[in-house]
Amino acid sequence: GENVEQHPSTLSVQEGDSAVIKCTYSDSASNYFPWYKQELGKRPQLIIDIRSNVGEKKDQRIAVTLNKTAKHFSLHITETQPEDSAVYFCAASITNTGNQFYFGTGTSLTVIP
Amino acid sequence: KAGVTQTPRYLIKTRGQQVTLSCSPISGHRSVSWYQQTPGQGLQFLFEYFSETQRNKGNFPGRFSGRQFSNSRSEMNVSTLELGDSALYLCASSLEAVGTEAFFGQGTRLTVV
Repeated sequence: GENVEQHPSTLSVQEGDSAVIKCTYSDSASNYFPWYKQELGKRPQLIIDIRSNVGEKKDQRIAVTLNKTAKHFSLHITETQPEDSAVYFCAASITNTGNQFYFGTGTSLTVIP
Repeated sequence: KAGVTQTPRYLIKTRGQQVTLSCSPISGHRSVSWYQQTPGQGLQFLFEYFSETQRNKGNFPGRFSGRQFSNSRSEMNVSTLELGDSALYLCASSLEAVGTEAFFGQGTRLTVV
């Protein structure tokens, strides 16, 4: 089955700096890659996603890039703010088999004011 | 529009007992998935139901089972509880059959003593 690895497991940045989280996947059939943000004690929420026919997607301060050849995708957060502090999970899915997501182990991001 | 609702929020059970968790998806969502979340392991896929049929199953023992009703509500059952089953169990629902955003519930925190 699919295996998703995520790095780093913890990340601390100064407010206003950028943060980058990287994930790799193993199954070349994976074609949908969402990123979820989970604040302490809350449910995971989708922040951005990308499909395999797209190389990059941006939404304000958040961007995701996908390299299908290398089987890796990354989350980029610019101008970080304290409210960005949370655990971020990447995931991969093979959409023709259903809504089954394989998640990375998470990155705990701390933005220092 | 109401979100995904999971009940109960917290449960304490004794080893050897069984437990049933409930999930009500967002109205109109027919795909319901279950995940186990533990520290350091991230979210691990248990199973997915679509139109009352189990469509996908993760690598969990047969003690973990589920079902979906005609109104898309889903239940998962864990029999013969073990200490290692202590975790946050998250349910997610999706609108489309495949490859779209999963909306998570707040989870059921299960503690096995």
